[in-house]
Amino acid sequence: DAGVIQSPRHEVTEMGQEVTLRCKPISGHDYLFWYRQTMMRGLELLIYFNNNVPIDDSGMPEDRFSAKMPNASFSTLKIQPSEPRDSAVYFCASSPLGGGYTFGSGTRLTVV
Amino acid sequence: GESVGLHLPTLSVQEGDNSIINCAYSNSASDYFIWYKQESGKGPQFIIDIRSNMDKRQGQRVTVLLNKTVKHLSLQIAATQPGDSAVYFCAENQYNFNKFYFGSGTKLNVKP
Repeated sequence: DAGVIQSPRHEVTEMGQEVTLRCKPISGHDYLFWYRQTMMRGLELLIYFNNNVPIDDSGMPEDRFSAKMPNASFSTLKIQPSEPRDSAVYFCASSPLGGGYTFGSGTRLTVV
Repeated sequence: GESVGLHLPTLSVQEGDNSIINCAYSNSASDYFIWYKQESGKGPQFIIDIRSNMDKRQGQRVTVLLNKTVKHLSLQIAATQPGDSAVYFCAENQYNFNKFYFGSGTKLNVKP
């Protein structure tokens, strides 16, 4: 298995633009998570899905953030409009029921 | 201006020595714990896990100890190697199965 695959690895965008981050979880994993990592706040859980259904989005900072999982093999995290304070590394992770997470390599987002 | 961020505690050890990284968790109801290792530019990587019905679990060169009385977790790394240099996070599962909360991390610096 290739693991959790995230794209792009790096994204630089201008303030106000829409940003879409992508994730392909490990096949057979029922859970998918989006995390954000910054020096200020560490690793923060934004949202997670179980069997493609959003279970908890309490970590999503604002309405500018949205996440979807249209099928078991794909999820997106969208920021519209983006702001400089959104600059961070965004990780996607997946897990089986009762198991630990496998993280992707992350997307480093810079909003200028 | 000057940025203010998390001040990660740092543990510096000599190559070949044993390392002990500590973590205090917050919720006495947490029943599943994982240690992750994060190397620079990469996503967190699963090292070892332990459930609350255990006090100790051993892996290859790593041991996790759980003290539920004082809500304390530790990771012991035997014969520390330069490749062990990374940030180490403990994560606890609270209430909802599969929803983990991460500590702020400890940076391990292995001196050759």
